[in-house]
Amino acid sequence: NAGVTQTPKFRVLKTGQSMTLLCAQDMNHEYMYWYRQDPGMGLRLIHYSVGEGTTAKGEVPDGYNVSRLKKQNFLLGLESAAPSQTSVYFCASSQKQTPDTFGSGTRLTVV
Amino acid sequence: GESVGLHLPTLSVQEGDNSIINCAYSNSASDYFIWYKQESGKGPQFIIDIRSNMDKRQGQRVTVLLNKTVKHLSLQIAATQPGDSAVYFCASLYDRGSTLGRLYFGRGTQLTVWP
Repeated sequence: NAGVTQTPKFRVLKTGQSMTLLCAQDMNHEYMYWYRQDPGMGLRLIHYSVGEGTTAKGEVPDGYNVSRLKKQNFLLGLESAAPSQTSVYFCASSQKQTPDTFGSGTRLTVV
Repeated sequence: GESVGLHLPTLSVQEGDNSIINCAYSNSASDYFIWYKQESGKGPQFIIDIRSNMDKRQGQRVTVLLNKTVKHLSLQIAATQPGDSAVYFCASLYDRGSTLGRLYFGRGTQLTVWP
């Protein structure tokens, strides 16, 4: 049972480049979330999904887009990366309103 | 809105002692609280939760206490072990009437267990 799997684990982008972070869960969870974690701050919600085909904005959605075409996958896209998006990104899933299971994170550096 | 804060950014305890990590929240409408554990290089891990209609909840070696009067909750870890070394976050849920509600995370307390 893999739980929540995130790829890639590390990435360095140049300012203006785009990329997609992948998240997959094998627990048949309805809810999926993308958070970012910055030093000295609590986790902040970027976007979330309450089911296949649905997405919604969280606390800090600007500069990001998401898609949930399949129930098990939740993709986070950066169309034009900025240094302010340097962070550790966590995907999570749950069968309820709050995240239960987190992935191991993607460490993104934008130079 | 809501703000969630931990009283101490770091806590060091000796193996076998009990640990207490404290957290304060600001919004009296928050009605659900969670503690997470995050080991170095890993994602957060759900430990225990408590609803506002409870004062205490126990898990395996962990107890969460909620004091709604002073908007304070604590996580108690019994017989702390080296494997308990991690950052501990509290989170509070506000506005459950909406689709998702808002889950506010504190900044975390680094617990270090020494032999």
